[in-house]
Amino acid sequence: DAGVIQSPRHEVTEMGQEVTLRCKPISGHNSLFWYRQTMMRGLELLIYFNNNVPIDDSGMPEDRFSAKMPNASFSTLKIQPSEPRDSAVYFCASRSRSGSTDTQYFGPGTRLTVL
Amino acid sequence: DAKTTQPTSMDCAEGRAANLPCNHSTISGNEYVYWYRQIHSQGPQYIIHGLKNNETNEMASLIITEDRKSSTLILPHATLRDTAVYYCIVRGNAGNMLTFGGGTRLMVKP
Repeated sequence: DAGVIQSPRHEVTEMGQEVTLRCKPISGHNSLFWYRQTMMRGLELLIYFNNNVPIDDSGMPEDRFSAKMPNASFSTLKIQPSEPRDSAVYFCASRSRSGSTDTQYFGPGTRLTVL
Repeated sequence: DAKTTQPTSMDCAEGRAANLPCNHSTISGNEYVYWYRQIHSQGPQYIIHGLKNNETNEMASLIITEDRKSSTLILPHATLRDTAVYYCIVRGNAGNMLTFGGGTRLMVKP
């Protein structure tokens, strides 16, 4: 398995532009998580899905952020309009519960820079 | 989920055992201890988890005290590639979220 796949790996955009980050979870995993990491705030959970349904989006900073999971193999995180303070590394993770093992597998991240 | 306390940073000599402590004095009976690490410029990586008993896998060993208020992650023979930030996380098995604190920055030196 290729693991969790994220694209793009790097994104540089200007303030006000729309940004879409993409994630392909590990096949067979039924939960998907979006995290954001900055030096100031560390690693924060933004939103997670179970069986393609958003369960908790309390970590989404504001209405400019939205996430979708149209099917079990694809999710997007969209920022519209983007602002410089959105600059961060965004990680996607997926999980499949099996017995007592409940581990999340993280993708390589997308480094977003908003100028 | 219970809060954890870890030292900010630690050094370890290459080839020696790295012992990373974690305090979780408010842990409740159904909460597990999970360890993840994040190597520079990569996503976090699962290492090991446990409830009461000590656990060992190909990456590390996890020692949990009898009162479960603290634990130690042991990397038996640290290599330079083990240089990373190590996160200790406590959460119930029914929970969904991992709450990452500051972690311990482990520097393995030649």
